[in-house]
Amino acid sequence: GQNIDQPTEMTATEGAIVQINCTYQTSGFNGLFWYQQHAGEAPTFLSYNVLDGLEEKGRFSSFLSRSKGYSYLLLKELQMKDSASYLCAAMDSNYQLIWGAGTKLIIKP
Amino acid sequence: TAGITQAPTSQILAAGRSMTLRCTQDMRHNAMYWYRQDLGLGLRLIHYSNTAGTTGKGEVPDGYSVSRANTDDFPLTLASAVPSQTSVYFCASSEGDTSTDTQYFGPGTRLTVL
Repeated sequence: GQNIDQPTEMTATEGAIVQINCTYQTSGFNGLFWYQQHAGEAPTFLSYNVLDGLEEKGRFSSFLSRSKGYSYLLLKELQMKDSASYLCAAMDSNYQLIWGAGTKLIIKP
Repeated sequence: TAGITQAPTSQILAAGRSMTLRCTQDMRHNAMYWYRQDLGLGLRLIHYSNTAGTTGKGEVPDGYSVSRANTDDFPLTLASAVPSQTSVYFCASSEGDTSTDTQYFGPGTRLTVL
């Protein structure tokens, strides 16, 4: 079957760095997406990886290893506004997104 | 640009009643999607449409129907609501270029079926 695993909840301190991991198993693979979702709001796109390696975009970076079925989202210089859920989603061979349940990130002062 | 709009924002519905959730996008995207989001679960695809005039079933289509008469609108209908359909419903759209197809989401409809 198809499956996405990511931690349910993580806590980090303002100004620090946090890494949110995601492992995936899909029928075929056409890329890995990360979305941010603040409580009560819609998911918003953060990043897309289809090749192995690190993609950096400001304070956020996303890494992919296709051979390991593994990705992580790295958030640097954490701010209170980064408190949100982070959703990992893998695109399968039918170009459908398979979503993880999300990681709730709590930022403490 | 409004992007994607959904209506209503929230609704309480008696079991057995029907209801249509509305979704409109102004980005001229080819593909549109309906998801439900429940606590502790990932977004689950209900129905999708790759282009106007076509629709397809997602992971959890039972009890729901959709239509895609034009590019902009993608309504979701619950013919006879049941309590298990209590959820937050998100509509999304994408350009339909399958190589790097980023989905953009509407604000959601919170539905409670009693």
